[in-house]
Amino acid sequence: GIQVEQSPPDLILQEGANSTLRCNFSDSVNNLQWFHQNPWGQLINLFYIPSGTKQNGRLSATTVATERYSLLYISSSQTTDSGVYFCAIITQGGSEKLVFGKGTKLTVNP
Amino acid sequence: NAGVTQTPKFQVLKTGQSMTLQCAQDMNHNSMYWYRQDPGMGLRLIYYSASEGTTDKGEVPNGYNVSRLNKREFSLRLESAAPSQTSVYFCASLRPGQGIGKLFFGSGTQLSVL
Repeated sequence: GIQVEQSPPDLILQEGANSTLRCNFSDSVNNLQWFHQNPWGQLINLFYIPSGTKQNGRLSATTVATERYSLLYISSSQTTDSGVYFCAIITQGGSEKLVFGKGTKLTVNP
Repeated sequence: NAGVTQTPKFQVLKTGQSMTLQCAQDMNHNSMYWYRQDPGMGLRLIYYSASEGTTDKGEVPNGYNVSRLNKREFSLRLESAAPSQTSVYFCASLRPGQGIGKLFFGSGTQLSVL
């Protein structure tokens, strides 16, 4: 089946540091999304990015579909960035079932 | 515009009891989903519905039933709850867009089965 692997599984930063989170996938994708789950459990859609690069404030994402990976960049991290970051994909030719990776847990210390 | 609304937020059941988790969206989305989240497992798809009246199994459908009676509502039923169904349950709906669009989540239901 489809494999979605995220790395690293855990990341601890000091406030102000930059970080890169990675999502590798095993098949061609028709849809890739990044989510942030805050410490209270709420899931927020960050980016819909099946290919190319997008930026939203301190966050940006790049998907290289031909090489089957996506990167999420967080610059000048803040304590409110803490939580778990998930990527999710729909493969080409598939249904609308989004398959999630297991996430990267980010802790930003003051 | 409330987005995706789930009820209840918390529930405790005894083994063998039944219950229904309710989900409604007011964004006129066609596709809706039920996921469960367990520690270290990410989110796993239980069932999804591409449109009113249609449903399809996901990765972990055993022990669950779903109902999509209209475009707004998608319910998840546990007929005979088991401790292995202790989890956080999320409902979501999909906004259509270029290709296939963005997923929006409800706030979750924390379920404990004793």
